[in-house]
Amino acid sequence: QKEVEQNSGPLSVPEGAIASLNCTYSDRVSQSFFWYRQYSGKSPELIMSIYSNGDKEDGRFTAQLNKASQYVSLLIRDSQPSDSATYLCAVNVWDAGNMLTFGGGTRLMVKP
Amino acid sequence: EPEVTQTPSHQVTQMGQEVILRCVPISNHLYFYWYRQILGQKVEFLVSFYNNEISEKSEIFDDQFSVERPDGSNFTLKIRSTKLEDSAMYFCASSDGQGDRPQHFGDGTRLSIL
Repeated sequence: QKEVEQNSGPLSVPEGAIASLNCTYSDRVSQSFFWYRQYSGKSPELIMSIYSNGDKEDGRFTAQLNKASQYVSLLIRDSQPSDSATYLCAVNVWDAGNMLTFGGGTRLMVKP
Repeated sequence: EPEVTQTPSHQVTQMGQEVILRCVPISNHLYFYWYRQILGQKVEFLVSFYNNEISEKSEIFDDQFSVERPDGSNFTLKIRSTKLEDSAMYFCASSDGQGDRPQHFGDGTRLSIL
């Protein structure tokens, strides 16, 4: 049984601060990791993907992957009120029909 | 930017009725998916589809569910006899490959079963 765990939050940070979102997963053969942003009542929107251990940066976002610890994180620098949303961690096992397993999401609130 | 489109945005149906949810994946994508999200819960995988056949399906995707690609652009999810517990947001997604290729989601169809 694949499990993806996230702290539900809310995580509250002031505008301009760094928000750190964490995710752990149980399946050791998981190979691709994705962060999606979901505004209330909307669909998941892809933020970042990561497949190799280490850091991957894209603008204000940095994804970090540690496969030995089965841990993936997302850092959001210079947080803006518009970043307030639920952030979903999703894990893909390549030989399982490309199925994404989602965590429950962390609600981020960025206060002006 | 190309996007996945879903219709209708909201579907209200009586319990026991059949519903068909429609999706137009991104045009050069070959891999298609359905997910659902019950209010306040996780996004759950239902089914993946490639080359006109199901690649993988979850335990949720029982005999009441079916998928079809009736033409070169549409991808549909049919629920044969709806139950109250089928009420959820249904998301269609597509990707241009497997493995490390990201899946892009449509805006979803809110299905309400009365």
